[in-house]
Amino acid sequence: ETGVTQTPRHLVMGMTNKKSLKCEQHLGHNAMYWYKQSAKKPLELMFVYSLEERVENNSVPSRFSPECPNSSHLFLHLHTLQPEDSALYLCASSQDLMGGGQPQHFGDGTRLSIL
Amino acid sequence: DAKTTQPNSMESNEEEPVHLPCNHSTISGTDYIHWYRQLPSQGPEYVIHGLTSNVNNRMASLAIAEDRKSSTLILHRATLRDAAVYYCILLDYGGSQGNLIFGKGTKLSVKP
Repeated sequence: ETGVTQTPRHLVMGMTNKKSLKCEQHLGHNAMYWYKQSAKKPLELMFVYSLEERVENNSVPSRFSPECPNSSHLFLHLHTLQPEDSALYLCASSQDLMGGGQPQHFGDGTRLSIL
Repeated sequence: DAKTTQPNSMESNEEEPVHLPCNHSTISGTDYIHWYRQLPSQGPEYVIHGLTSNVNNRMASLAIAEDRKSSTLILHRATLRDAAVYYCILLDYGGSQGNLIFGKGTKLSVKP
């Protein structure tokens, strides 16, 4: 039990579909993150939220749309994705953004495959 | 964030200690040293972090060089479950975005 739960664990979708990834944390944390992990590439930070406000968007294409309705939930809405978007999408949370001494807690990710 | 250098892979025998090195020669005075690991088919898992002094927790120990330009993650008794990719990451305590920058890490294999 990691405290960060991601659903679904696996998702296969066509390029014209619309789907959403969900992340939920039960740790009482105020910051949440979306990362992308492609095969043979390091983890890439996509979005950062603090107290439900987006504070970082690392030049992510608009076909990825995050939503943070409250500090416990984070969504990643997907539409018209490309084959190169196939990857493991990871959600993480930390107590706050400030301070390098705060660990991040990760979920086990959603394995996304684009047909 | 400053960069870190780790060996690509290491091997260990079960129930023996493992020392995973990390070089961070350009570390700044405000950088924390974090270690994460990622088991197959799972998300990264926080292991330990420190600033200047050596640190111990239930998972591992972190030995930090006096000049802070290198550190070593110590697993006291490796188990098969410790086989994973281990990442050494620097994070500025003054930073406001908590941006973990993962490199390639060290792939640890544990032999029975």
